[in-house]
Amino acid sequence: KAGVTQTPRYLIKTRGQQVTLSCSPISGHRSVSWYQQTPGQGLQFLFEYFSETQRNKGNFPGRFSGRQFSNSRSEMNVSTLELGDSALYLCASSLINTGQNTEAFFGQGTRLTVV
Amino acid sequence: AQKVTQAQTEISVVEKEDVTLDCVYETRDTTYYLFWYKQPPSGELVFLIRRNSFDEQNEISGRYSWNFQKSTSSFNFTITASQVVDSAVYFCALSEAISNFGNEKLTFGTGTRLTIIP
Repeated sequence: KAGVTQTPRYLIKTRGQQVTLSCSPISGHRSVSWYQQTPGQGLQFLFEYFSETQRNKGNFPGRFSGRQFSNSRSEMNVSTLELGDSALYLCASSLINTGQNTEAFFGQGTRLTVV
Repeated sequence: AQKVTQAQTEISVVEKEDVTLDCVYETRDTTYYLFWYKQPPSGELVFLIRRNSFDEQNEISGRYSWNFQKSTSSFNFTITASQVVDSAVYFCALSEAISNFGNEKLTFGTGTRLTIIP
């Protein structure tokens, strides 16, 4: 069974640009969560989507947005990039089905560098 | 607000030694979930264990064991007979009970970098 796929793996952008990151969850998984990992702030929750609806959002500015498609694939967008947005962005998918024992599976992340 | 503290930033032990990684958490929820994840150099987080707040039984899985104590709000992780492949950053995490599994919004500790010296 294929794991969580994040594309691209590496990205270099210039300050002020915008970027879109993609996450394909494990087949059948309907919940997708996004996290930002930086040396200074550690791992921080960005948002979570379930059945195309954002159910939870972390404490990030409105420049960070996301969406989920009907096939559960998710994208996150960061507009007006700042140097501080340089980070590893991790996506996790979960089955979310009562009675099923499941955990969150993480992808390998997209490493974004803003110059 | 939820908080997870991993006071040990870095630990180095010689191969075959036992090592315990500490995790202390804070939450006002009565129902919550605790997790441990391993992050190898490749970057992805590898799930190790999930424990809900009503299950205080300790768990052993091979060389790994976990000690959950609600009285001290701790969820410590012990690796017995450590191996070089255990070298990684380990994260403890806490989640409120959004669903039955609590995977959806994790509050992570700052991680402990474990180095096993051959």
